[in-house]
Amino acid sequence: GNSVTQMEGPVTLSEEAFLTINCTYTATGYPSLFWYVQYPGEGLQLLLKATKADDKGSNKGFEATYRKETTSFHLEKGSVQVSDSAVYFCALPRSGGSYIPTFGRGTSLIVHP
Amino acid sequence: GAGVSQSPSNKVTEKGKDVELRCDPISGHTALYWYRQSLGQGLEFLIYFQGNSAPDKSGLPSDRFSAERTGGSVSTLTIQRTQQEDSAVYLCASSLEAADTDTQYFGPGTRLTVL
Repeated sequence: GNSVTQMEGPVTLSEEAFLTINCTYTATGYPSLFWYVQYPGEGLQLLLKATKADDKGSNKGFEATYRKETTSFHLEKGSVQVSDSAVYFCALPRSGGSYIPTFGRGTSLIVHP
Repeated sequence: GAGVSQSPSNKVTEKGKDVELRCDPISGHTALYWYRQSLGQGLEFLIYFQGNSAPDKSGLPSDRFSAERTGGSVSTLTIQRTQQEDSAVYLCASSLEAADTDTQYFGPGTRLTVL
């Protein structure tokens, strides 16, 4: 089946720093790729997604580009804020044709003022 | 509109007791998923419902776990004879339809503590 590997956290940054959270995947074909975010005390919510190779997903200043050459979907933001402190999960369908996603282990981001 | 709701938000139980966790999906969403999130772990898929089709139970960790979805809406996850290793946050999610491009909408979770 498909799988995803995320960099381990926590990632600790100062406000306005540049953020990269690495995500690489192993998959059959070119499935949709997702980033979900879980703010403290809340459920997961979709941050962005890309449904085909070379697409770029973006939302709230975050971006991720679906790169089939490197099988990656790294999450980036040019200037993080304290309010971005959360756990970020990379995800994709667990196998070809499956509607059930498999998630990475999550990367905790801590942003200091 | 209302999002996915789960109840209770917290549940503390004694080892060996049965517990029921409830999920109310977004109205009109045909797909419903249960996950378990343990400390420091990712999300572990448990079970998936799609419309009137037979559920995909391939993620249930043991026969102590079961779930049902009545009328294509509300779902209940039941854990019988709870064990301490069942302690986790149980998350429910729904999506409009079963599509691999579909966005999942998550509830806030039920934190289960087994003493």
